[in-house]
Amino acid sequence: AQSVTQLDSHVSVSEGTPVLLRCNYSSSYSPSLFWYVQHPNKGLQLLLKYTSAATLVKGINGFEAEFKKSETSFHLTKPSAHMSDAAEYFCVGGSGGSYIPTFGRGTSLIVHP
Amino acid sequence: DSGVTQTPKHLITATGQRVTLRCSPRSGDLSVYWYQQSLDQGLQFLIHYYNGEERAKGNILERFSAQQFPDLHSELNLSSLELGDSALYFCASSTGTLSQETQYFGPGTRLLVL
Repeated sequence: AQSVTQLDSHVSVSEGTPVLLRCNYSSSYSPSLFWYVQHPNKGLQLLLKYTSAATLVKGINGFEAEFKKSETSFHLTKPSAHMSDAAEYFCVGGSGGSYIPTFGRGTSLIVHP
Repeated sequence: DSGVTQTPKHLITATGQRVTLRCSPRSGDLSVYWYQQSLDQGLQFLIHYYNGEERAKGNILERFSAQQFPDLHSELNLSSLELGDSALYFCASSTGTLSQETQYFGPGTRLLVL
């Protein structure tokens, strides 16, 4: 069975400070892991994807995530938050044993001026 | 722009009614997934079609049904609507069938049941 847990429902940062959104997973198979972003009243957009080629994955808009098998984590980071980063972020897991991706509950990122 | 289109953008209807939501996948994608997003339930997987065939079912109510047509567009039918069906409905498409593939999401249809 696969599960994806986003450890924080809300994260609040000041503009220009680092962002850390946490995601833990469990999977019986070697997983694929995704981060998607959803801006208000919009669909989900892919930020980045891990598929075992490299543990550090760079995405769009300066985001990156590191796959740590020993910690079963795939945390999303950005060195410096921008106001436009305020959105809902979803960690998603997929595995070879399933047709259905597993979504985390989402983390709302709030960026203060 | 993901290349996935959904119509209508907004839908307001009354309890007991029936509505149809439409999704056109990205060119070349054979898979369509439907999701429901609400404040209390979060993002819930409903159903998955691949090349016209149903491949997986999630938390889809019996009042809801879907199909994928030969041209690969998909429709989600919601009937006997209840207040609790008010939500944002997304479709997503991907090339193949596996959950390891990237999904491309449409902008969603916001349904309000009064």
